[in-house]
Amino acid sequence: QVQLVQSGAEVKKPGASVKLSCKASGYTFPNYFMHWVRQAPGQGLEWMAVINPSGGPIYAQKFQGRVTVTTNTSASTLYMELNSLRSEDTAVYYCAREVGAPDCWGQGTLVIVSS
Amino acid sequence: QAGLTQPPSVSKDLRQTATLTCTGSSNNVGNEGAAWLQQHQGHPPKLLSHRDNNRPSGISERFSASRSGNTASLTITGLQPEDEADYYCSAWDSSFSAWLFGGGTKLTVL
Repeated sequence: QVQLVQSGAEVKKPGASVKLSCKASGYTFPNYFMHWVRQAPGQGLEWMAVINPSGGPIYAQKFQGRVTVTTNTSASTLYMELNSLRSEDTAVYYCAREVGAPDCWGQGTLVIVSS
Repeated sequence: QAGLTQPPSVSKDLRQTATLTCTGSSNNVGNEGAAWLQQHQGHPPKLLSHRDNNRPSGISERFSASRSGNTASLTITGLQPEDEADYYCSAWDSSFSAWLFGGGTKLTVL
């Protein structure tokens, strides 16, 4: 079955970077767009980026210049690196596959930014 | 950038019908249609429908979506305790080239 397995929780200091991974299985990875979405504690969903595994990424304006999304097609893995972390970046980060809309989601990765 | 507007909360009685709304613009909901997602506390979101009323396999027929102009709606019939959750609408915005989410509606089943 379709499955997205994300990397484990991270604790980072302000100003640091974090790189998250999302390994896909159960489908042909290059055939689907992939999204990153985050959710701060007690808050709603916030879209960050989408990538066509065989093309380039599109980033939300808010994260332009601070986020990089890449894929390793041979490993069926999606990555997201977020730089210059601040406390407001504390959130659960989700990857999701798109079929008309984000239809299959990873379990989420908690990132805590704290000094 | 402008987003999608949802009422923060809706409360309905068990076995009744709830209709959740999502208002966007001609660049998003009015153009591409909306998706609806359900999220229970501590869990990832689950897609209920996309492009207005395309339900993924396994989603109950009690969930149906529709659209009128720039407003999308999700109707949930025969409310069950497990329907108590946060519901988000979502759409691609062709003007901003961005995927938008509404602020979410917390549905309480009384």
